[in-house]
Amino acid sequence: AQSVTQLGSHVSVSEGALVLLRCNYSSSVPPYLFWYVQYPNQGLQLLLKYTTGATLVKGINGFEAEFKKSETSFHLTKPSAHMSDAAEYFCAVSDRATGGFKTIFGAGTRLFVKA
Amino acid sequence: DTGVSQDPRHKITKRGQNVTFRCDPISEHNRLYWYRQTLGQGPEFLTYFQNEAQLEKSRLLSDRFSAERPKGSFSTLEIQRTEQGDSAMYLCASSFAGDGYGYTFGSGTRLTVV
Repeated sequence: AQSVTQLGSHVSVSEGALVLLRCNYSSSVPPYLFWYVQYPNQGLQLLLKYTTGATLVKGINGFEAEFKKSETSFHLTKPSAHMSDAAEYFCAVSDRATGGFKTIFGAGTRLFVKA
Repeated sequence: DTGVSQDPRHKITKRGQNVTFRCDPISEHNRLYWYRQTLGQGPEFLTYFQNEAQLEKSRLLSDRFSAERPKGSFSTLEIQRTEQGDSAMYLCASSFAGDGYGYTFGSGTRLTVV
């Protein structure tokens, strides 16, 4: 069965500092991988995804993530944090073998950005 | 298209009452999903439809829960005889069928059972 582990339920960075949110997955075959962001009292918004091809994927709002098969990781980064990045971030996987439905989400990492 | 719409945004109900939520997906999307999210947790899969067919249901979806998607358009999620443990955010999402499409989520319906 697939699973997702997000390391750190809370991450705090200063404005302008590097953002690194960690995600590891467990799957028998490399799954589809996603990062979503959730602002308070809102639904989730897709930041970026990895399906195939280039392992470094770029998303919206300056975020990017790198798929590392050997480490079963898909960490999310942003070179310079902005106050507006404060939100909850979810890593997610879905099974390539079933056509990608039934996405499994991690528990989330709340990002705090200090002025 | 205005995205995925969910109604109501908030619902407070007494234990034992029935509630129904509605989701209007993006019209071009033929997959529709329901998830439940409790405080401090990621969304948990409940069920999904491809067009009007309900293709999978989670074990989380007890027989008090039922979902429909008549004519492959909007969907409803009904909870009968609500319990306090049903208090959560219920999220609807839609997507294209096929490999690796991400979801477009609605803003959710927050259910509080008192």
